[in-house]
Amino acid sequence: DGGITQSPKYLFRKEGQNVTLSCEQNLNHDAMYWYRQDPGQGLRLIYYSQIVNDFQKGDIAEGYSVSREKKESFPLTVTSAQKNPTAFYLCASIASGRLDTGELFFGEGSRLTVL
Amino acid sequence: QKEVEQNSGPLSVPEGAIASLNCTYSDRGSQSFFWYRQYSGKSPELIMFIYSNGDKEDGRFTAQLNKASQYVSLLIRDSQPSDSATYLCAVKPYTGGFKTIFGAGTRLFVKA
Repeated sequence: DGGITQSPKYLFRKEGQNVTLSCEQNLNHDAMYWYRQDPGQGLRLIYYSQIVNDFQKGDIAEGYSVSREKKESFPLTVTSAQKNPTAFYLCASIASGRLDTGELFFGEGSRLTVL
Repeated sequence: QKEVEQNSGPLSVPEGAIASLNCTYSDRGSQSFFWYRQYSGKSPELIMFIYSNGDKEDGRFTAQLNKASQYVSLLIRDSQPSDSATYLCAVKPYTGGFKTIFGAGTRLFVKA
């Protein structure tokens, strides 16, 4: 079955450590997105990528980095510069050819907790 | 003004009633509108999308769009306890660069 796989589902990090969240999709979608969700809040866009080797900052990119070396993969690194990284992280994609109207397909999410 | 605004709730309705969820948006040129349902601890799942003014029905769900008023709503008929979740309104603004902007969500409780 096609879908988006995020790993790990739960991650604990000590302050000052970088962590990388994995996102892999087999939907053959060109565009991929990373959102952050805090309790009681909506989703805020961190980074997005419309094609391989290209990505753009979203609304809250500070303290995060991404890469898009393969169409299927869009990993997110939460760096030590991110002041409040504890959150629920969601990876998503949109079907090719529907970037302007299409809905987001989500992975199951990764919950990061900083100890 | 937030780009997409929703009443955070919680909205509580009895089983079998109609639940009405509302959303306003700021970009008048927005073209695509979505409602996602999110259960606690889970990722959002799409339940409705609407592009044109008027109503769109799918089973117990009806999405309503009024672009002149910059208003989109979701009606859930015959509400069930399993409908209890957070409902996220999302908009693709005309100038968004293929971004989707989310509201903070409305928590719905359906009482058995």
